[in-house]
Parts: sequence; structure tokens; C-alpha cells
Amino acid sequence: DSGVTQTPKHLITATGQRVTLRCSPRSGDLSVYWYQQSLDQGLQFLIQYYNGEERAKGNILERFSAQQFPDLHSELNLSSLELGDSALYFCASSDRSGDPADTQYFGPGTRLTVL
Amino acid sequence: AQSVAQPEDQVNVAEGNPLTVKCTYSVSGNPYLFWYVQYPNRGLQFLLKYITGDNLVKGSYGFEAEFNKSQTSFHLKKPSALVSDSALYFCAVRDMVSSASKIIFGSGTRLSIRP
Repeated sequence: DSGVTQTPKHLITATGQRVTLRCSPRSGDLSVYWYQQSLDQGLQFLIQYYNGEERAKGNILERFSAQQFPDLHSELNLSSLELGDSALYFCASSDRSGDPADTQYFGPGTRLTVL
Repeated sequence: AQSVAQPEDQVNVAEGNPLTVKCTYSVSGNPYLFWYVQYPNRGLQFLLKYITGDNLVKGSYGFEAEFNKSQTSFHLKKPSALVSDSALYFCAVRDMVSSASKIIFGSGTRLSIRP
């Protein structure tokens, strides 16, 4: 158990809908990262927040947004969902930002299925 | 561009035999390399990382990895495989070009240990 929690574990929804995925980082970690794992794209970095501020952006669609709250939990919002958004979404956390040597610890993931 | 390659989609090993999961990297500057493992229906678990120093890195569950700068490789090894080692293994590198926060993952290697 990494100490990173994600809810819900599974989410089934329809095209055009909006969903929110939640992540709580390990105790003491200030950075939260979101990744998407799909069969065709593999594991891809989406976005990072550090202590409430956006720090880095990857291949995140404009339909997707995220935020980190004062208690350091983070939410990833996915809107106007398409079939291709079906994937496993991981949250990771670390205690620093911008340090290439730090380790990111991953949560169990949220499996999103868009029908 | 920074990248890692895992040339084998699948590796099959008999229990008790040594195992190797291959990874090669392409980076600008010093590489920061990681191995993660993904068990079915679970998140990614950190195994080990290479930052600098000793070319042989020891990690969790008896795994180790050998960093070879001349061959730009970071192969994962274990002297004696267990059936419980069967999982999906990812090699990864820190993206030092666009953002040190971002981890770039390989395509993954499925390790199957037969009794």
C-alpha cells in the first residue's frame, strides 16, 4: 500500500457526461500527479500540482481539468466524455516538486468506462 | 526527445531461474531511471531508481537493476524468480527537457513465471 488513495475504484458513465476523480496524497506529500493509462497510448502524464498550484502540464485535453485543495487532495474533472476517454487514471504523489530524484508513489487507480 | 524502450512485450521464465527485463533509454544529460511493477487490478508500485553512483541498484522484493552508460541500458534483474513476480513491469525516465516532474514510461513488459 503506497498511502495514496483514489476514489472511486470504478466509474461507468455515458458519452457527453462529466465525472470527477478524487485523490488523496500520502501524508506529508505536497505534489500530486495525474496519469492516464490506456491500451493505445500507454501510461501518459497529464498534470501536476504542488501545494495548490499547477506546476507542470502534459498531454491533458482541454476537456479535462484538475485542482488541488488546501488539504492537498486533488480532483481530476473530465467533461464531454468520449469513448476514447475510457482508461485507468492514476494519481501519484511525492514530497517535492521539480526534483528529478524524488520518487512518485502511485495510487490504485480509477477505472473509467465510457459507454 | 527523452524516451525509454522495453524491447520485449513478454518474458517467460521458470520459477527459480534468474530473470532479466530489458530497458534502454535515450536522454539528454544525466538519466534518472525508475522501475515500477503493476499487479492485476492494482496501481503501480515503485521498485527502484537510479540517480547517480553505484551502477547496481537494489530495490524491493529482491529486484536489482544494472545501469550501463555505454549501452544506455537499465535492465531489471532477479537471481531467482518467484511465481508471485508475474506482473507488468515498466521502465521509466524523468523528463529533464520539458519538466522534471514528468515521468516518461516505457510500453511495459509482461513477466510470466511458470511453476
